[in-house]
Amino acid sequence: DTAVSQTPKYLVTQMGNDKSIKCEQNLGHDTMYWYKQDSKKFLKIMFSYNNKELIINETVPNRFSPKSPDKAHLNLHINSLELGDSAVYFCASSQGVLRGDTQYFGPGTRLTVL
Amino acid sequence: AQRVTQPEKLLSVFKGAPVELKCNYSYSGSPELFWYVQYSRQRLQLLLRHISRESIKGFTADLNKGETSFHLKKPFAQEEDSAMYYCALKGTGFQKLVFGTGTRLLVSP
Repeated sequence: DTAVSQTPKYLVTQMGNDKSIKCEQNLGHDTMYWYKQDSKKFLKIMFSYNNKELIINETVPNRFSPKSPDKAHLNLHINSLELGDSAVYFCASSQGVLRGDTQYFGPGTRLTVL
Repeated sequence: AQRVTQPEKLLSVFKGAPVELKCNYSYSGSPELFWYVQYSRQRLQLLLRHISRESIKGFTADLNKGETSFHLKKPFAQEEDSAMYYCALKGTGFQKLVFGTGTRLLVSP
């Protein structure tokens, strides 16, 4: 009965590699998000999709590419990983983007780049 | 521009003591304010929101538009309240959720 799930939970990889993180929600929500939480616990939005369309794209290196194959999934692909990409990445979803739409978060994916 | 400030990185109290986690915001319109909590190695979860005016786990928060604040309060802290607390703001219309830098609450026995 998990609402928002992410895989993998942990990801350890070498610099320069390409990796993907998957997110799925079974809440029937229209909007999904990716957040990055750095080592200082600062949480910042990266992307948001509404009905499979990109609606928020913060200042993120273009090595990061989100993909939404359907409303229930939002994957994050990262090319040429760098040390500074090490963080916890959280996926979230909400019914929409209007007032009153609560965001529900996934458990996070801890990415460590060596 | 939307901005959320949580001035305290760490707040350490003893069990049974009152707690107030500060949150100030900057937004020219009418914001929607939230408190999210993240227990150790767990996902972020919504604690409460100003439009609901509810009390969750003994916590309350009142939106003060004059002082642009949304402080989180609990009269008697419990050890299980130890966690990271984030204040967040959403503007009107089609707006992203902006988080503060978070405050770690540590409740000691």
